[in-house]
Amino acid sequence: QLQLQESGPGLAKPSETLSLTCTVSGASINSSSYYWAWIRQPPGKGLEWIGTIYYIGSTYYTPSLKSRVTISIDTSKSQFSLRLSSVTAADTAVYYCARRWYYFDSWGQGTLVTVSS
Amino acid sequence: NFMLTQPHSLSESPGKTVTISCTRSSGNIASNYVQWYQQRPGSAPTTLIFEDNQRPSGVPDRFSGSIDSSSNSASLTISRLKTEDEADYYCLSYDSSNQVFGGGTKLTVL
Repeated sequence: QLQLQESGPGLAKPSETLSLTCTVSGASINSSSYYWAWIRQPPGKGLEWIGTIYYIGSTYYTPSLKSRVTISIDTSKSQFSLRLSSVTAADTAVYYCARRWYYFDSWGQGTLVTVSS
Repeated sequence: NFMLTQPHSLSESPGKTVTISCTRSSGNIASNYVQWYQQRPGSAPTTLIFEDNQRPSGVPDRFSGSIDSSSNSASLTISRLKTEDEADYYCLSYDSSNQVFGGGTKLTVL
């Protein structure tokens, strides 16, 4: 059964870079049928798509974060990662990784990242 | 870029039918598929509808989706409401490579 698990620091300092990793198990991250995505949700607010990566490394980012976001993939480790630079308190959120097929069909449990000094 | 606008909250009684709208600010709603997600507190979202009106396996037929080009909007209809349907609902659509969620609708069933 497919499982996605986010990992990384739960606290980031303002102006620094937030880094998270999603480990995929139970399915191949190399599949040409799927894309892999990061989505976030600030406390008490709605969902925001951050970006998506394909197994060959093609990336797509939401315009509002494009200048600060990098998503990468390591197929040998069955992982994909998120880096968000120059973070502020507005980046405090639960960060989810997800698999996209025709829709986001599988999600991680989410990890809360708080931006605070 | 475009936005998807949903009502902030709705309330309805068990057994009734409720419809949640999702209006696209620019671009044709029919040009890109719409998805609907349900999110219960403390949990990741789950998919109710994809490709405007298709249900993933396991989603009850009480949930249905549609689009209306005249109002440039999509709708999620939940019939025979149950208390367990109380949750947040999000629409999602896209434009080339950009994916956009609606702001979400909090549904109260009481």
